[in-house]
Amino acid sequence: DTEVTQTPKHLVMGMTNKKSLKCEQHMGHRAMYWYKQKAKKPPELMFVYSYEKLSINESVPSRFSPECPNSSLLNLHLHALQPEDSALYLCASSGWELTNEKLFFGSGTQLSVL
Amino acid sequence: SQQGEEDPQALSIQEGENATMNCSYKTSINNLQWYRQNSGRGLVHLILIRSNEREKHSGRLRVTLDTSKKSSSLLITASRAADTASYFCATPLETSGSRLTFGEGTQLTVNP
Repeated sequence: DTEVTQTPKHLVMGMTNKKSLKCEQHMGHRAMYWYKQKAKKPPELMFVYSYEKLSINESVPSRFSPECPNSSLLNLHLHALQPEDSALYLCASSGWELTNEKLFFGSGTQLSVL
Repeated sequence: SQQGEEDPQALSIQEGENATMNCSYKTSINNLQWYRQNSGRGLVHLILIRSNEREKHSGRLRVTLDTSKKSSSLLITASRAADTASYFCATPLETSGSRLTFGEGTQLTVNP
């Protein structure tokens, strides 16, 4: 199984809502990533988890809260988002964080904040 | 911050033609990767080239790397309509590792 599965595929939320994005992989990868991508722009790294511990937080606002419950799962909890947070949120995984390996990406969650 | 810059930003060609996309980067790296993204979907890894390699092939893809010029190119030969997508180069945030930063991307349209 070489898939990274993200749910939901689409999400519409109001600025006062709390929602979560979920990501799952069963490739035994020990590094997992959240990227944010605005339309017609490249993905931007948000968070990196390595061995279930937060390794990198790219100065992401606290209204985004990542969680790695186990080595296969990665969540992104959303609270009090702004309309400018509307974007495609991509999860990715790789075998290890500090080796030169390719990333496996999920199909993303298209988020709209009203 | 993104350290890769790609050109052209957009490229439109006919089926059967070759497509060349270029990527420049700023810092020292020991590998560079290319990814493809269909509209609204996740990215798919195409090829990784290491800093001690000058050229690499994979099917209809040919990647070159010039570390002295800090640049790379992706050539797709005999293009097909199904190759229509955005193509991104990606380099590690530090010299090595899988924490990648992506270039601005090239939108390729292959007309049937």
